Amino acid sequence: DVKVTQSSRYLVKRTGEKVFLECVQDMDHENMFWYRQDPGLGLRLIYFSYDVKMKEKGDIPEGYSVSREKKERFSLILESASTNQTSMYLCASRLPGQGAPGELFFGEGSRLTVL
Amino acid sequence: QQQVKQSPQSLIVQKGGISIINCAYENTAFDYFPWYQQFPGKGPALLIAIRPDVSEKKEGRFTISFNKSAKQFSLHIMDSQPGDSATYFCAASSGGSYIPTFGRGTSLIVHP
Repeated sequence: DVKVTQSSRYLVKRTGEKVFLECVQDMDHENMFWYRQDPGLGLRLIYFSYDVKMKEKGDIPEGYSVSREKKERFSLILESASTNQTSMYLCASRLPGQGAPGELFFGEGSRLTVL
Repeated sequence: QQQVKQSPQSLIVQKGGISIINCAYENTAFDYFPWYQQFPGKGPALLIAIRPDVSEKKEGRFTISFNKSAKQFSLHIMDSQPGDSATYFCAASSGGSYIPTFGRGTSLIVHP
């Protein structure tokens, strides 16, 4: 089974702190994604990565950055956390097919509270 | 601008009833329409998906109906069960990167 692991399930941080959210997948997937989930707003794409050392902005990249130094690991970084970044963060990975979309495999999420 | 509009936001159904969730899209380039199911405390998981070359796809009690001309698609859950209680997301994507755009989600509660 594909496993996407988000190491921190719950985090509480203070405004202005630097926050790292880590995601590791064990299926050699090329594509990885970071989404933010808020009630009534659904899943919004922050950043995605087609492959190692590649990154693309999603729909709401402001205030975030990412790092992908190894294929299995995709990190989301909040350089200076703010209260409006309190949210559930979901990581996903995907093995793209030949002309096919491929299924997204999600982790269980990291719930971040910024005080 | 919301590219995929999902309704209703919440839905309560009695056990054995039919649950219907609707989605509409604007971008005619979209050519892949998956539905994801999310249980509390878990990440979303792919439930069923459809391409626009067919009008319906059925997997067990779950059916996607697709109307290309109206740019709408819907999820029907027949004989709904309490175990179906979850949040459902529709999504759409197009060729090339196939980066999915998600709807805002529907919280389904099925009463015993």
